Parts: sequence; structure tokens; C-alpha cells
Amino acid sequence: DGGITQSPKYLFRKEGQNVTLSCEQNLNHDAMYWYRQDPGQGLRLIYYSQIVNDFQKGDIAEGYSVSREKKESFPLTVTSAQKNPTAFYLCASSIQEHWGNQPQHFGDGTRLSIL
Amino acid sequence: SQQGEEDPQALSIQEGENATMNCSYKTSINNLQWYRQNSGRGLVHLILIRSNEREKHSGRLRVTLDTSKKSSSLLITASRAADTASYFCASRPELIQGAQKLVFGQGTRLTINP
Repeated sequence: DGGITQSPKYLFRKEGQNVTLSCEQNLNHDAMYWYRQDPGQGLRLIYYSQIVNDFQKGDIAEGYSVSREKKESFPLTVTSAQKNPTAFYLCASSIQEHWGNQPQHFGDGTRLSIL
Repeated sequence: SQQGEEDPQALSIQEGENATMNCSYKTSINNLQWYRQNSGRGLVHLILIRSNEREKHSGRLRVTLDTSKKSSSLLITASRAADTASYFCASRPELIQGAQKLVFGQGTRLTINP
């Protein structure tokens, strides 16, 4: 079964701590994305990657970092510099296509809270 | 904010009725997409309409696109309890090539009452 797996489902962060959210896909998609969703809000793009070993900042990248060492994996680190990390984090992937006429496929999210 | 606008923010109807949600966006687009999100879950893609299309159907879903007004609507006919979810539009700006950057609206919370 092809899809996107995010882990853990719930995560708690202490003050001054970095935490890493996992995202793995077996859809053979080149492009991957990280979004943040706050209660009652739409999604905001944190980072995206079109190809292995390359990624770009989205609209709200401050306080976050990513890596893309493998096509299947796109982990997100929420650093201590992110002062308001409590949110629902969603990972997505898509076929890389010039005009972007491809849907995105989403994982089931990680809910991050501050202790 | 670059986010699109959705209207209404919340909609409650009886099972069997039709539900209409509207979306407006700010820039020229390549396509507009609609997604559904059940509570606490990820988004599921419903339908994609390209900028040169005016209407698209998929099962009980009908999407229209008016690029002159920078707006789209999603119609769900003969609603069912299982349609209860949040619905998001996402526009794909024209000027960004390659990357599938989407601009999401704030969503419409749809409740279907039995």
C-alpha cells in the first residue's frame, strides 16, 4: 500500500529542546512538503523539497530545519528558536511536474505540544 | 496574508441536502484544488481544476472556476453524514514553476445532520 507515514502521532517538547518529526513516503514522489496547521486555520508552508539534497524555505521557515538525504524521507526539526511550536504538522508529497498540475498526498499528521 | 478566503467558515445542513462552499484567491493560477480533512487527520485530495477549465465533476462533487473573479465553488450533492469534515481550497500560483506550492484557504467546516 503506497502512502505517507508520519511519526510520532503526538509529540511533546520541553523548553529549549529540539524535536524531530518523521515523514516517509513510498509513492516514489520527488517533491515533499511540510505544513503547519493551527486550530481552525488553513495550512501554511514551512519547507519544501523538489529533489534529494535540495530544499527551499516556505512562508514560515523561521525556527524550523529540514534535510532531504533520501528520496523517501523528509524529516522536520522544530528548534528551540520556534517560540510557538504548538500546532498540527502535516507532511505531503507529489509528483514533480513543470506546471504543478498534480495533487498532493498527505500523511495523518503529528500533533506537537509544549510541556 | 497570502491565504485564500473561504466562505462560509461553517455550514450545517440536513442529510440529503446540497452543500456549496466558495473560495476566493489572490493571484493568477495554474490550477485550483479542493481537499477534505476529517477531524485530526491529514488532507485528502478531492478534485483539481485547471485554469482553462470552467467546471469539473467527480461523483457527487461539482467544482466551478471563474478566473475573472478569482473564485471557485465546490458543490456536494445529496449530502451524507460521512461528508462531515473541513473542506479546503488550494490555489497553485501561476508564476511559480516546478514546485507545487499551494496557497490554502482557511477552510469550511461542514456538518451533515442526520
